[in-house]
Amino acid sequence: SYILTQPPSVSVAPGRTARFTCGGDNIENKRVNWYQQKPGQAPMLVVYNDNDRPSGIHERFSGSNSANTATLTISGVEAGDEADYYCQVWDINSDLPAVFGGGTKLAVL
Amino acid sequence: QLQESGPGLVRPSETLSLTCGVSGGSINHYYWSWVRQAPGKGLEWVGYIYTSGKTTYNPSLKSRITMSVDTSKNQFSLKLNSVTATDTATYYCARLLYLSLTVVYFDLWGQGTLVTVSS
Repeated sequence: SYILTQPPSVSVAPGRTARFTCGGDNIENKRVNWYQQKPGQAPMLVVYNDNDRPSGIHERFSGSNSANTATLTISGVEAGDEADYYCQVWDINSDLPAVFGGGTKLAVL
Repeated sequence: QLQESGPGLVRPSETLSLTCGVSGGSINHYYWSWVRQAPGKGLEWVGYIYTSGKTTYNPSLKSRITMSVDTSKNQFSLKLNSVTATDTATYYCARLLYLSLTVVYFDLWGQGTLVTVSS
């Protein structure tokens, strides 16, 4: 099955830019989705189809996907952005079609 | 809106049973899924069901899972048998949106329900 690799943690000062990477073999050939999960809450979709935002998600959240790495970027980080961030792809040709990365914890310094 | 319901404690070797109620819209013509998260761990996809009853399960759980849908009650269900402590997790129900064969994502989530497997 397809494997997605995320670093365990990222630390950023308020107002700066946070970048979360999601590594996968030729991931550029897949569409990547990103979820934010705050402590004690359900995950929430923040980016889908590499770089589309659901209604209600601020434009500070953006995504990109190239070669073997997809990236979620949060600009102007706020304390309220502290959460775990998970990438996810759909592998239609696999018997395990829904794959999540291990998640990255964002600490706002 | 999605809402999980079911026992919070299940004995080892018994069957975990959860239901997800869908409100504010019809359950029809969508894919519905379960995702679980062991304490302190990441997200694990459990399986999905279409409103026709077609299912696809995580291969690691396939031998123990049954998912079903009741369109008259606007709800779908999960049964996981022969549970062990490793099945202890928060179980989320979620809507799976299929924009295309490659653009597939979970756009709505329930709040989750913690199921503990213990004697």
